Amino acid sequence: EAQVTQNPRYLITVTGKKLTVTCSQNMNHEYMSWYRQDPGLGLRQIYYSMNVEVTDKGDVPEGYKVSRKEKRNFPLILESPSPNQTSLYFCASRPWDRGDNYGYTFGSGTRLTVV
Amino acid sequence: RKEVEQDPGPFNVPEGATVAFNCTYSNSASQSFFWYRQDCRKEPKLLMSVYSSGNEDGRFTAQLNRASQYISLLIRDSKLSDSATYLCVVNNRGLTGGGNKLTFGTGTQLKVEL
Repeated sequence: EAQVTQNPRYLITVTGKKLTVTCSQNMNHEYMSWYRQDPGLGLRQIYYSMNVEVTDKGDVPEGYKVSRKEKRNFPLILESPSPNQTSLYFCASRPWDRGDNYGYTFGSGTRLTVV
Repeated sequence: RKEVEQDPGPFNVPEGATVAFNCTYSNSASQSFFWYRQDCRKEPKLLMSVYSSGNEDGRFTAQLNRASQYISLLIRDSKLSDSATYLCVVNNRGLTGGGNKLTFGTGTQLKVEL
C-alpha cells in the first residue's frame, strides 16, 4: 500500500531532551515536507526537501533540523525541545514530475507534548 | 491579512442539504489549488484539485476564480459522513524557484445532522 509512515504517533518528552520523528514514504516521491498544526493557526510548513541532500526552510523552521540522506526518509529532529513545540506534526510527500495540480499524501501525524 | 482565509464555521446542516464553502487567497501568483478534508486529529486527505474551468467529483464541485482570488467548494446532498473540517490549500513556488510551498487555510468545520 502506498503510504507515508510517521513514528511515533504519540510522544511526551521533557524540555531539552533531543528527539527525532521519523517519516518514510514508499512511493519514490522526490518532494517531502514537514508541517505542524496548532489550533487557530492551521498547518504551517517547517522544512521541505526537493530530493536527496536538498532541503530548505519553510515558514517556521526555528528549533528544528531535518536531513535527507535517502529518498524515502525525511526525519525531523528537535535538538532541544521546548514547550512551544508541543503540536501535531505531519509529514507529506508528492512526486516531482506530475505537475502542480498533483496532491500531497500525508502521514498519520505525530502528537508531541513537551513538558 | 492571512495568505489563505476561510470562514471557520461550524456549518451545521441537515442531511441532504447543499452547502457551500468559500476561500480567498492573497498571492496572485499562486499556481495550484486544492480542497483537503481533515477528520478530527487525523491527517488531511486530498478531496480534489481546483481548476478555473471548475471540476466535479460526484456530489462535490470546486471552482477557482483567479481574477477574484477566490475558491469555492459545493457539497450537494450532504451525508453524515461528510462531517469534517475542509481545508483550502494554495500551492506556491518556493523562494528558490524549485520548491513547492503549501499554504493552508485554518479550515471550515462542517457538521451534518439527522
